[in-house]
Amino acid sequence: EAQVTQNPRYLITVTGKKLTVTCSQNMNHEYMSWYRQDPGLGLRQIYYSMNVEVTDKGDVPEGYKVSRKEKRNFPLILESPSPNQTSLYFCASSLFRTGEKLFFGSGTQLSVL
Amino acid sequence: GQQVMQIPQYQHVQEGEDFTTYCNSSTTLSNIQWYKQRPGGHPVFLIQLVKSGEVKKQKRLTFQFGEAKKNSSLHITATQTTDVGTYFCAGMGRTGNQFYFGTGTSLTVIP
Repeated sequence: EAQVTQNPRYLITVTGKKLTVTCSQNMNHEYMSWYRQDPGLGLRQIYYSMNVEVTDKGDVPEGYKVSRKEKRNFPLILESPSPNQTSLYFCASSLFRTGEKLFFGSGTQLSVL
Repeated sequence: GQQVMQIPQYQHVQEGEDFTTYCNSSTTLSNIQWYKQRPGGHPVFLIQLVKSGEVKKQKRLTFQFGEAKKNSSLHITATQTTDVGTYFCAGMGRTGNQFYFGTGTSLTVIP
């Protein structure tokens, strides 16, 4: 089944404790992206990747890191999480070059205490 | 930076009433997509519009792309409880590297 898999689904952590949210897609998509969703603000892009080893900042990259060492994986890293990073996070992928639709993962609800 | 606004932010309708959400961009878009997110779920693609003035229909849903390619709308005729969720537009900027999501419209349908 074609899908984008995100883990974990829920995560509670404390300020300053490094964490990684994993994202994997099995559709051989070139484009992958991370979004955060906050009430009233919609989906805001954090980072995106056009292909392996190619990443770029979105609209809200501060406090986040990403890597794209393999085509299928695009982890989101929070080196030192802060309470303002409490949010619902979505990973998405797409063929993109042809303007294809985005496929979203199930989301990760992160709470930073 | 590029901004995509949606109105209204919330809409409550009686079942059977119509519903419309509007999407407005500060700059010209190369295309626009619409997504639906059910409560507790993730955004799911509905449709893509590419041409200026384009209109597409999916059963009770009608999507329009403005002549200037800076605005779009989604209209639902005779809403049903299954229409409940948040509807997002997403526009691709001229650089072709990013989708800019609207702020979303949350639809509640009262039986």
